[in-house]
Amino acid sequence: GAGVSQSPSNKVTEKGKDVELRCDPISGHTALYWYRQSLGQGLEFLIYFQGNSAPDKSGLPSDRFSAERTGGSVSTLTIQRTQQEDSAVYLCASRLSGGADTQYFGPGTRLTVL
Amino acid sequence: GESVGLHLPTLSVQEGDNSIINCAYSNSASDYFIWYKQESGKGPQFIIDIRSNMDKRQGQRVTVLLNKTVKHLSLQIAATQPGDSAVYFCAENINFNKFYFGSGTKLNVKP
Repeated sequence: GAGVSQSPSNKVTEKGKDVELRCDPISGHTALYWYRQSLGQGLEFLIYFQGNSAPDKSGLPSDRFSAERTGGSVSTLTIQRTQQEDSAVYLCASRLSGGADTQYFGPGTRLTVL
Repeated sequence: GESVGLHLPTLSVQEGDNSIINCAYSNSASDYFIWYKQESGKGPQFIIDIRSNMDKRQGQRVTVLLNKTVKHLSLQIAATQPGDSAVYFCAENINFNKFYFGSGTKLNVKP
């Protein structure tokens, strides 16, 4: 079956521009996560959606970052006024429920801010 | 935030040998742990998980050990193969919500 997909796979933008990153989770998965991974580093939690509950935004690094999940499926991570330090791989993961299920990751979007 | 760290950033092993990758976690309330494998240019891939009410779990060629007394987690890979070369992350989870990841260990398998 289809896994988690993300688009675009690569995004190069200029400092100060806004970007939108898309995540299509596995169908039927109620939980969705966004992470950021800098080169050679671990995964930094950004935001977590679970069903219809209010998202956990505690990992968003600044108010330039926002995310939404429409209809409990597709999610978009938006970064406004991008900075060079925003350059990283942004990973999305989905999970069947909030229980002891593993996350399934997408391939990520590599963002480069010039 | 939570702290999940790895003892060895890079591990080199000979093909056929067993590998052991270690991880320390800081929150004694963590109740679910996962090991992930990440190959270059790809997202992390699930390897094996373990709940806090267990101290050992085995999969195909992999074993995860959990020592809650010292808050330590390890991943053992038997008969390591070149295809096992990757970065390995441990992750901890509290109340089945957010996951906290360590910085990763790079495993190099020498032929």
